[in-house]
Amino acid sequence: DTGVSQDPRHKITKRGQNVTFRCDPISEHNRLYWYRQTLGQGPEFLTYFQNEAQLEKSRLLSDRFSAERPKGSFSTLEIQRTEQGDSAMYLCASSSREGSNEKLFFGSGTQLSVL
Amino acid sequence: GESVGLHLPTLSVQEGDNSIINCAYSNSASDYFIWYKQESGKGPQFIIDIRSNMDKRQGQRVTVLLNKTVKHLSLQIAATQPGDSAVYFCAENYGGATNKLIFGTGTLLAVQP
Repeated sequence: DTGVSQDPRHKITKRGQNVTFRCDPISEHNRLYWYRQTLGQGPEFLTYFQNEAQLEKSRLLSDRFSAERPKGSFSTLEIQRTEQGDSAMYLCASSSREGSNEKLFFGSGTQLSVL
Repeated sequence: GESVGLHLPTLSVQEGDNSIINCAYSNSASDYFIWYKQESGKGPQFIIDIRSNMDKRQGQRVTVLLNKTVKHLSLQIAATQPGDSAVYFCAENYGGATNKLIFGTGTLLAVQP
């Protein structure tokens, strides 16, 4: 499978615990995005990497959230001291520019449930 | 469509009919638009895209129409099949260095066999 891969698919945790998600983008893609999606809503942008550089973070990304892409390949998203409001699907997407278009390919997401 | 349950607009069609899903986008400066299909428990899947210098683009069984005057985008699906049942999202690209996509409210397409 050469698509975007996310792990784990599901995560159940207790409030206050830390969680970490992993994303492996399509290998030749240099741009990687994290989005969050709650039930019935469209995905909301969280943050974006070009290679290993994190170039933009949404205001949705509180201090408890941190994302890394240390070698410009896979990325991790960590949530510290989880809260019930963090329950959502966390989606990763990757892209490579084609001309001036930006076609994002999404993974299947990590569904987080905070109890 | 009318809002149901989770406030998702819903379009119900018979198998074999054509479907039209509408989307109003927010930023008149957006220069690139994508339609995504999302099935339950899966990530959004790319369907078709269109740049702002075009008003129509066709793919296999799908057509996207762009009306910049009223900031309106539509997705037409010909001969709708049960496998087309999903939530459909339009997304706009504001442009700029990040090129992040901003998603609209989805539409649930329910295909009746």
